[in-house]
Amino acid sequence: QSALTQPRSVSGSPGQSVTISCTGTSSDVGDYNFVSWYQHHPGKAPKLMIYDVIKRPSGVPDRFSGSKSGNTASLTISGLQADDEADYYCCSYAGSYNYVFGTGTTVTVL
Amino acid sequence: EVQLVESGGGLIQPGGSLRLSCEVSGFIVRSNYMSWVRQAPGKGLEWVSVIYGGDTTYYSDSVKGRFTISRDSSKNTIYLQMNSLRVDDTAVYYCARLGLQATLFDYWGQGTLVTVS
Repeated sequence: QSALTQPRSVSGSPGQSVTISCTGTSSDVGDYNFVSWYQHHPGKAPKLMIYDVIKRPSGVPDRFSGSKSGNTASLTISGLQADDEADYYCCSYAGSYNYVFGTGTTVTVL
Repeated sequence: EVQLVESGGGLIQPGGSLRLSCEVSGFIVRSNYMSWVRQAPGKGLEWVSVIYGGDTTYYSDSVKGRFTISRDSSKNTIYLQMNSLRVDDTAVYYCARLGLQATLFDYWGQGTLVTVS
């Protein structure tokens, strides 16, 4: 199973919006509405930000939103804040008890 | 409060073995699906293994036949026995709980570093 493809980095100024894409195949992202997104500050535990493509866990600000079209899922961060600076990973269930993560995207707040 | 605390990492020679532990508090391990995920230096996250109810286990192709996931309900702890270690197994290893329909990872530990060299 190949890793899902994400841009290496995205950046934006405080208050702006950024979108991270996550491209898979018809066997993972395209076949299941089980895409999740994780925020990872180096040295800390990853944090679930979005699940089931569009749902937010309790406590995650509504500035974070998810979507999917075909084999590509996306995470949008609106109203960018300094604390949003981190690595972000998508993940898709890929059937047969397999899970595939994305290559990771570093978000930089300018 | 939910906490997952990994331990057991360290420096090991190629071909060696290591056992990682993940001590859990805040929920009962035997009632949940648990997983190991790793991150090699400078790389992204990679799913390694999962243990479902009834002790059904699954592994990524990269570790199948070499790694074994297990749990001890009396200690509320999960383990990852790693044998025949290779240089490319070098990574920070995280344990995580699989939530809902086992389609997302909702709680994570802070990881333990395994260096194979």
